[in-house]
Formats: sequence, C-alpha cells, structure tokens
Amino acid sequence: NAGVTQTPKFRVLKTGQSMTLLCAQDMNHEYMYWYRQDPGMGLRLIHYSVGEGTTAKGEVPDGYNVSRLKKQNFLLGLESAAPSQTSVYFCASKGFRREQETQYFGPGTRLLVL
Amino acid sequence: AQSVAQPEDQVNVAEGNPLTVKCTYSVSGNPYLFWYVQYPNRGLQFLLKYITGDNLVKGSYGFEAEFNKSQTSFHLKKPSALVSDSALYFCAVRVGVNSGTYKYIFGTGTRLKVLA
Repeated sequence: NAGVTQTPKFRVLKTGQSMTLLCAQDMNHEYMYWYRQDPGMGLRLIHYSVGEGTTAKGEVPDGYNVSRLKKQNFLLGLESAAPSQTSVYFCASKGFRREQETQYFGPGTRLLVL
Repeated sequence: AQSVAQPEDQVNVAEGNPLTVKCTYSVSGNPYLFWYVQYPNRGLQFLLKYITGDNLVKGSYGFEAEFNKSQTSFHLKKPSALVSDSALYFCAVRVGVNSGTYKYIFGTGTRLKVLA
C-alpha cells in the first residue's frame, strides 16, 4: 500500500516548455486535489476532482490543466511553463464518506522554471 | 469570504514547555477543521480534526486542539514540546462548493521551532 505517489520528484523546465505531473493513489479514493506550495502563501488549490472523469477549478487554475481518466490517477499539465509556476506541487486524495475526511498527501514535486 | 488565518509565521518554544500554534477561521455553517504537519522535504501529514462533538480534540504525537466557536478559533496545543516537533504546521478548513462537493482552504503555515 503505497498511499499517494507523485512523479517526478524534481524537474527543471525552460520557459515555454510543457510537462505533466502524475499523481497516483491506491486507496480507492474518490476525491483528488492538486496544490501548489509557495513561501508565505501556504497551500493553494489548483484543480480538484470528485470522481473519475470529473475535474473542477480551484483558487489558482490559470496556466494548468488536469485530467482524471482513471480513478487512481490525477494528472496536472503545464502547457507552456512560466517562471511564476516555479513551486512545490502536492497531490492529495480522500474518500467521500464522512469518516474519510482526512486528506492523504504525496511527497511533492519540486518544479523550477527558468 | 471563507478563510483561515495563522497569525504567527514562527513560534519558538523551549523543549519541555507547552506550545500553542494559533488558527482562526471564517466559514459559513458548522466548520470542519484540520491540522497538518510538514517535515522538511516531505508531504503534509494529518494530525487531528474537528467535525463535531467534544471541543477538545486529541490527535497524533500528543497534540490536541481546542475548538472555540465564539472566538472562531482552533488552536493547536501540546503540553510538553519536543525538539522533534519542530516542523511547519498548517491549519485547514473545509468549505462547501455545491451540494455534496467540498474543497479545503489552508492557512499560510506556522513554523514551530523547539529549542533544546
């Protein structure tokens, strides 16, 4: 039981390049989330999904796209990276029942855009 | 606007002393409140939550938090701090988006430093 895993752990991009961050969870959770963490700003929600095939915008969605083709995977895409997207990205998942309110976080992906 | 605030960027406490990390919130309806901890180069780990019931919630690693509805606060506490408690602590609140859908708002984090 690996919990929530994220790929890659670290990446350097040049401005304008594209990439996809992969989040996978093996807990059969319905909800999945992508956050970015920046100094002094805490965690901000980028996009989230309440089930396979559904996605929704969070607080800071501009410049990102997501897909949830399989229940266990949640992909975050950057079509044209910008230096402002330099950040640490965290994925999280949770179940939908009341007793499953806890979010489980992945280890993070550190992204540097030059 | 629904929000959560952590007024202190950093809290320093001597080992063995009690610690408090503050959190206040602003949400409509009954709040679901959470504390998470982040150690260096790691993801966030769940500490404790308040959904309903007893205002004093006990969590992992000896931490507890007190829900105070009149002051809209959910402060994290521990009777005796350990050096290993040094980490970044986040308060979070669940907010409703539409029927049956929720998202979470996190505070900006408080760095706890426990001095030996």
